[in-house]
Amino acid sequence: LAKTTQPISMDSYEGQEVNITCSHNNIATNDYITWYQQFPSQGPRFIIQGYKTKVTNEVASLFIPADRKSSTLSLPRVSLSDTAVYYCLVGVRGSTLGRLYFGRGTQLTVWP
Amino acid sequence: EPEVTQTPSHQVTQMGQEVILRCVPISNHLYFYWYRQILGQKVEFLVSFYNNEISEKSEIFDDQFSVERPDGSNFTLKIRSTKLEDSAMYFCASRTRREHLSDTQYFGPGTRLTVL
Repeated sequence: LAKTTQPISMDSYEGQEVNITCSHNNIATNDYITWYQQFPSQGPRFIIQGYKTKVTNEVASLFIPADRKSSTLSLPRVSLSDTAVYYCLVGVRGSTLGRLYFGRGTQLTVWP
Repeated sequence: EPEVTQTPSHQVTQMGQEVILRCVPISNHLYFYWYRQILGQKVEFLVSFYNNEISEKSEIFDDQFSVERPDGSNFTLKIRSTKLEDSAMYFCASRTRREHLSDTQYFGPGTRLTVL
């Protein structure tokens, strides 16, 4: 299972773009990269998933370089409500087992 | 948007008592999971459930734990004899079986279990 490394914490101000980078040097060929968001005392919420290059949805963008050994979650124009823990997960898409492995994540704090 | 629901939101119990945590997964999902998160710690996998049987369980999921899907909508986690260290947030999650689509797991809001 590919281990992930991401910063423990990040600070930003409202309106700024935030980029959180995750390292996953041992990612396997079949692995996808998934990001979740968690607010205090709530369940993790899926944000975005990708395999290579760039994926964008209404919430965020995910940039994955060609070697796939890292990925960057980009949150455009953050607001106070984006203050949360962000988790980078690497696992096999469609795995019949399906268990998710959460690290400690990155605590993003957005200031006014 | 469909969502996973869990009840109760907060459960307080005495050590040694049995508790049942309830979850209603998203209706067309076929894989079900329980995770827990001790305060300040990581989200940890407990068990996965498919086709009315456990498909995988972690080392945390010992004989004190059991899961059941008693009907077509509910998915329960039972802890037979609670310990102080069982105090945590317990999250239920579900996902669709269709592997050609995203295997995203959708989490419920959690049940906070406090063992006194």
